Amino acid sequence: GESVGLHLPTLSVQEGDNSIINCAYSNSASDYFIWYKQESGKGPQFIIDIRSNMDKRQGQRVTVLLNKTVKHLSLQIAATQPGDSAVYFCAENKDSGYSTLTFGKGTMLLVSP
Amino acid sequence: GAGVSQSPSNKVTEKGKDVELRCDPISGHTALYWYRQSLGQGLEFLIYFQGNSAPDKSGLPSDRFSAERTGGSVSTLTIQRTQQEDSAVYLCASSLGLAGRKRDTGELFFGEGSRLTVL
Repeated sequence: GESVGLHLPTLSVQEGDNSIINCAYSNSASDYFIWYKQESGKGPQFIIDIRSNMDKRQGQRVTVLLNKTVKHLSLQIAATQPGDSAVYFCAENKDSGYSTLTFGKGTMLLVSP
Repeated sequence: GAGVSQSPSNKVTEKGKDVELRCDPISGHTALYWYRQSLGQGLEFLIYFQGNSAPDKSGLPSDRFSAERTGGSVSTLTIQRTQQEDSAVYLCASSLGLAGRKRDTGELFFGEGSRLTVL
């Protein structure tokens, strides 16, 4: 989801659970999407990307799903670990011609041992 | 270095002063980006450099903000006459930015940011 003001949407899970983080993107013309993870005090770190000619892509413990019909992106994290606690951002490339990603406001994932 | 390096990591300044933030991208990366992140917010695009092309300055919030990239490597973001609303973390990122192509790989490698506080 999207944040309002200074409050990030937060997802709290138990260690070992599967996590699903959702993102609604704004431009139906966007054709490239990325998920980034940002730990406290650090810069964002690439997790996984997907192009619009795909609807699913899997990485190590992570899966990204793309639903272009409703402009929805999700990140699934399997067997969530405390080290997964961070803010997760989705980003879309909605400028043709060059890559300037537009980032969402982020979702905080809190994993309890 | 192995990653994107930014300096200073923290900067406290008084309203009205000028500040310079530095970014040293990953060697060989032709694309360089500046983003701003305010507390609890997402990343706001500021400016994009790609090789020798004219930079995309469309995200700069006012004419107090400027950036340059010398020799296709190090970049400096300058904020003149700082205001309290300029307080944020300024993140630099670089990517491969494949020459001759309109789109690069898309994966941005971020530095740890420069936290600016304007009193």
